[in-house]
Amino acid sequence: DQQVKQNSPSLSVQEGRISILNCDYTNSMFDYFLWYKKYPAEGPTFLISISSIKDKNEDGRFTVFLNKSAKHLSLHIVPSQPGDSAVYFCAASEIQGAQKLVFGQGTRLTINP
Amino acid sequence: DAGITQSPRYKITETGRQVTLMCHQTWSHSYMFWYRQDLGHGLRLIYYSAAADITDKGEVPDGYVVSRSKTENFPLTLESATRSQTSVYFCASRSTGASTEAFFGQGTRLTVV
Repeated sequence: DQQVKQNSPSLSVQEGRISILNCDYTNSMFDYFLWYKKYPAEGPTFLISISSIKDKNEDGRFTVFLNKSAKHLSLHIVPSQPGDSAVYFCAASEIQGAQKLVFGQGTRLTINP
Repeated sequence: DAGITQSPRYKITETGRQVTLMCHQTWSHSYMFWYRQDLGHGLRLIYYSAAADITDKGEVPDGYVVSRSKTENFPLTLESATRSQTSVYFCASRSTGASTEAFFGQGTRLTVV
């Protein structure tokens, strides 16, 4: 039972354009959402997060949107740069309780020059 | 060095052997986690710990044992390694409180032959 799903295993985007990565979740108890970026042979690194009381959070080129009614979030990267090429993981947790993060399968983003 | 470190980075072991992966964090974070990364599955939670001497199972705990006698250490033991446990293992830590991210180690690539 996959509680967090990233249905696109890969995405290819032209440099300078917008990259949009999507994530869906099924557990209505999730109220905090995060995006992680992972390069080969390294651990995941935190990128941006959003709590369920908001529908948008922005940090530089990165914006996360949350649609609670649809149980859907997305990460927008604009403009996309070659260094953004990595695997992106969506994660969710409950603010109360065990604090464990539940991850999606990941999306491999490739930025083409 | 401040942060979270895993050892070894790479390990090859034989089927049936016991192997222990080490994780050490310097922030005194209450929560620690072990995940495994496999193609198509993303990051799956094996075990987690809310504090010293408090551990709980995650999504895929079978074949693994953890302990947490000190806040800063969270070793993961494969009691009798199987080929299906070939994977990349990540340790993470997270402070208590709402809306915090988890920090990951560099990972241990384990191959069971």
